[in-house]
Amino acid sequence: ETGVTQTPRHLVMGMTNKKSLKCEQHLGHNAMYWYKQSAKKPLELMFVYSLEERVENNSVPSRFSPECPNSSHLFLHLHTLQPEDSALYLCASSQGGAPDTQYFGPGTRLTVL
Amino acid sequence: QKEVEQNSGPLSVPEGAIASLNCTYSDRGSQSFFWYRQYSGKSPELIMSIYSNGDKEDGRFTAQLNKASQYVSLLIRDSQPSDSATYLCAVNEEGDYKLSFGAGTTVTVRA
Repeated sequence: ETGVTQTPRHLVMGMTNKKSLKCEQHLGHNAMYWYKQSAKKPLELMFVYSLEERVENNSVPSRFSPECPNSSHLFLHLHTLQPEDSALYLCASSQGGAPDTQYFGPGTRLTVL
Repeated sequence: QKEVEQNSGPLSVPEGAIASLNCTYSDRGSQSFFWYRQYSGKSPELIMSIYSNGDKEDGRFTAQLNKASQYVSLLIRDSQPSDSATYLCAVNEEGDYKLSFGAGTTVTVRA
């Protein structure tokens, strides 16, 4: 679990708040990911960054804004969220080669009131 | 749209038995296959990866891959209560960053 860390682990926010999720990987990886996990649903890929450039954005609403300042850090900025955005948000990282294995952080449990 | 299908379960097995989990995928270009274990309230943890047809064993876990039939399975031998978790199947194409996940199979090992 220490390879990929996420803060905060739990977050409760109102619909008008602005907050940020932070992810840091200590594995020397080149790619980082944000996933959303809702109850009884498959993991949903939100964003992919490779070498600090966004390479994938799976039609995520603009109220979610990612930022990758360097290959070790990834942020997810949140604003004007909806209650249906309540979920577990997972960060992952991978080497970026082939085959590629993703390693997950512990996640942030987000509740939007 | 790549699809990965798993039986949601729950799959209930007695302690010491073999738990068998199956996963099918739609994309014939898939090259890498992974099994993750996720305990309730925790994040997914990689337990097996397999890239070639056949069996791969790691301790009590065996992954089986059949690319022609587009399925990958996971066997858990001598199941323990600590194996009770949701098991996620994931696949990706060679050179593709994206993993496509199944919804997971929940396994309960009863003592």
